[in-house]
Amino acid sequence: AQKVTQAQTEISVVEKEDVTLDCVYETRDTTYYLFWYKQPPSGELVFLIRRNSFDEQNEISGRYSWNFQKSTSSFNFTITASQVVDSAVYFCALSEEAGANSKLTFGKGITLSVRP
Amino acid sequence: NAGVTQTPKFRVLKTGQSMTLLCAQDMNHEYMYWYRQDPGMGLRLIHYSVGEGTTAKGEVPDGYNVSRLKKQNFLLGLESAAPSQTSVYFCASSSLRTGRTSPLHFGNGTRLTVT
Repeated sequence: AQKVTQAQTEISVVEKEDVTLDCVYETRDTTYYLFWYKQPPSGELVFLIRRNSFDEQNEISGRYSWNFQKSTSSFNFTITASQVVDSAVYFCALSEEAGANSKLTFGKGITLSVRP
Repeated sequence: NAGVTQTPKFRVLKTGQSMTLLCAQDMNHEYMYWYRQDPGMGLRLIHYSVGEGTTAKGEVPDGYNVSRLKKQNFLLGLESAAPSQTSVYFCASSSLRTGRTSPLHFGNGTRLTVT
């Protein structure tokens, strides 16, 4: 069975600090997809990134970067120069199947608080 | 540009009452899902549907029923609400293109309290 572990539950940083959110996953499949979602205080879920298991290239999008390492089954998310607007709950998720029954397994989420 | 719309946004039920949560998407997505979010538990899949007229159980299906009579709608029913069903419910949809599913598009959630 697939599993996603986000060991950090709450992180508090001061604005402009860098912060890394950890995600470790378990799966028996060789083909799978990894996701990060953001849930701001307003409650909606915002898609941030999807990675497939064959693409280990790290990705950078503005202040956000993702480090995918199959050797350690990790898909970590780094926010550089954090801002108050980054305060949210962040979920890592895994999908084992690309086809008809694709569904996400979520980690328990990390609550990030960025203080001014 | 509605995306995924959930109704109602809030609801309070008494134990034993029934209700239906409606999810509507206007993106012509094949797949639809119902998740519940509880503190410290992340999101857990209740039921999902891979197409009109088909439904399947997820991780926590007990106490819920679903129906997908139209492609754009996915209904979640609680026949006899229990306090353990107090939660925030999220509907999501996704599409299948060339063998890859799109990321899930989520509704804004329904906050349900059962007293």
